[in-house]
Amino acid sequence: DAKTTQPTSMDCAEGRAANLPCNHSTISGNEYVYWYRQIHSQGPQYIIHGLKNNETNEMASLIITEDRKSSTLILPHATLRDTAVYYCIVNQGAQKLVFGQGTRLTINP
Amino acid sequence: NAGVMQNPRHLVRRRGQEARLRCSPMKGHSHVYWYRQLPEEGLKFMVYLQKENIIDESGMPKERFSAEFPKEGPSILRIQQVVRGDSAAYFCASSRGGGNTEAFFGQGTRLTVV
Repeated sequence: DAKTTQPTSMDCAEGRAANLPCNHSTISGNEYVYWYRQIHSQGPQYIIHGLKNNETNEMASLIITEDRKSSTLILPHATLRDTAVYYCIVNQGAQKLVFGQGTRLTINP
Repeated sequence: NAGVMQNPRHLVRRRGQEARLRCSPMKGHSHVYWYRQLPEEGLKFMVYLQKENIIDESGMPKERFSAEFPKEGPSILRIQQVVRGDSAAYFCASSRGGGNTEAFFGQGTRLTVV
């Protein structure tokens, strides 16, 4: 079973920041927060991951609360190509990822 | 730097035939994972392999399915005597070892059993 809770769906206007929340209240001290997305039926795409510090890369930013019980993925300037299902996963590493239902993000023109 | 390569992208098999799915990990990655996505369902972990070793096969069906990752060559997911219920997208991912790592996925093989 997935250890995370995400909204089923979200909408965002093109060009605006998309903020995707994730709750993981039972996260362990040695577990990372991973974000992946799946565009249509393509292979899942790695976005970002973090342990406790906020992280940023060329795709997105990851904000993890101080108690680590929740996090937010931020896509700073959403485009139509960002329409996808976004998965928040907590795990000790890259092995045996448990994908929940994710958030279906729709970017509207 | 090529990503995870899977082939074939599409595979059609008749019931009772064998399906062989191949996965070449990213350069420098020695850990391979197979996942299955049934139509309209989420991704499910199947098996985790390192070179010549199966580390975790807890998600593999007990019969007809096997996986290997030989010292040389790609990882192979083999499905014997396929049935219609095996129709799905099969994704392979790879990673380096260690805890603070990420897995990268291939584009998948879509198996259709007719």
